[in-house]
Amino acid sequence: ETGVTQSPTHLIKTRGQQVTLRCSSQSGHNTVSWYQQALGQGPQFIFQYYREEENGRGNFPPRFSGLQFPNYSSELNVNALELDDSALYLCASSLVDRAYTEAFFGQGTRLTVV
Amino acid sequence: QKEVEQDPGPLSVPEGAIVSLNCTYSNSAFQYFMWYRQYSRKGPELLMYTYSSGNKEDGRFTAQVDKSSKYISLFIRDSQPSDSATYLCAMRVLDQFYFGTGTSLTVIP
Repeated sequence: ETGVTQSPTHLIKTRGQQVTLRCSSQSGHNTVSWYQQALGQGPQFIFQYYREEENGRGNFPPRFSGLQFPNYSSELNVNALELDDSALYLCASSLVDRAYTEAFFGQGTRLTVV
Repeated sequence: QKEVEQDPGPLSVPEGAIVSLNCTYSNSAFQYFMWYRQYSRKGPELLMYTYSSGNKEDGRFTAQVDKSSKYISLFIRDSQPSDSATYLCAMRVLDQFYFGTGTSLTVIP
């Protein structure tokens, strides 16, 4: 196990609703990144947080937002949910200078939008 | 054109075979190249990473990068049933990070 925990593991929401997903980083890691993985696809980078600020973002609309807390845990918020938002959402933690080469993933939150 | 292309498979091999997994990419600015393994219902697990052309070996795994051809490979020697998983290549340039779609591998005992 990586030490990265995500909650909840599964979630069902209705189109138009808002959702918050949570991630606890591995001990000692100061950087958190979030990914969306649709069924049969590779993960897509949503954004990364370091020192409570976003310091990298993929091609996702502003209704995808996040927070990082002083203890390095993080939240992913998605507003105005769409059916295409149904996916596995993965959180990964790392040290800032190894954010992409040594990122450790949680098991993910499976979001279904109906 | 996608930034990273990866054959989704599925790939099925007998135990003990050498497995070759490949990805191509279009962005010559990619700096880091990684391979992840993802078991069903789990998050991806980092196997190897490299940032230069050439080979990098770790046990039964060898990662190969050819920047001139924009082509990366992962070789698995003496494949085991426990290697059955989806293998994802990933690449980074600056603050952008791209995964391939993954190749599903089954190693048959």
